[in-house]
Amino acid sequence: GAVVSQHPSWVICKSGTSVKIECRSLDFQATTMFWYRQFPKQSLMLMATSNEGSKATYEQGVEKDKFLINHASLTLSTLTVTSAHPEDSSFYICSADWAGGYEQFFGPGTRLTVL
Amino acid sequence: GQNIDQPTEMTATEGAIVQINCTYQTSGFNGLFWYQQHAGEAPTFLSYNVLDGLEEKGRFSSFLSRSKGYSYLLLKELQMKDSASYLCAVTRRGYQKVTFGTGTKLQVIP
Repeated sequence: GAVVSQHPSWVICKSGTSVKIECRSLDFQATTMFWYRQFPKQSLMLMATSNEGSKATYEQGVEKDKFLINHASLTLSTLTVTSAHPEDSSFYICSADWAGGYEQFFGPGTRLTVL
Repeated sequence: GQNIDQPTEMTATEGAIVQINCTYQTSGFNGLFWYQQHAGEAPTFLSYNVLDGLEEKGRFSSFLSRSKGYSYLLLKELQMKDSASYLCAVTRRGYQKVTFGTGTKLQVIP
């Protein structure tokens, strides 16, 4: 099956710093990538939808200037959490789909802890 | 708008059968996913139903009734490793994104 990787798998940073998370589709070209956030004991909340070469579409309540998304190629999307604060600590998961398919393939997730 | 409901928690015995229900109210409904998620891991795909009826895939089966806004995931011959959260998620016509329910945490006991 299709494989999506994320890097790093976990990161600890100080409050006020920025963190970049990479999401890669390893064996297919992803027309669309999605970024989710999951707090403990809660379900996945979609943050934004990203299409290669165009601006991401953010969900209501998600600050686009704080969560910068770049989707420069069909295999790579990045999420940068700028000026991170402790309340941004969460499990960030990306997923990707491809033209003609319906299934989203999920990355393994990145656990962010902001001190 | 969208509203997706699942029970929060369920407990079942190893070797038994368990049914996890999901009801939804979604304008422009297209299809429904079931995902399994173990603690601290990303979701893994189980099924995707677009048409009414039951689809069987090994120990797991998924059912959809579009007219009733209802789906269930049936797990047979439960194993301890089936202890996980099961997420119901819907897609809408013309939209790329998938909207997830709150998930059902299933605990399988000996």
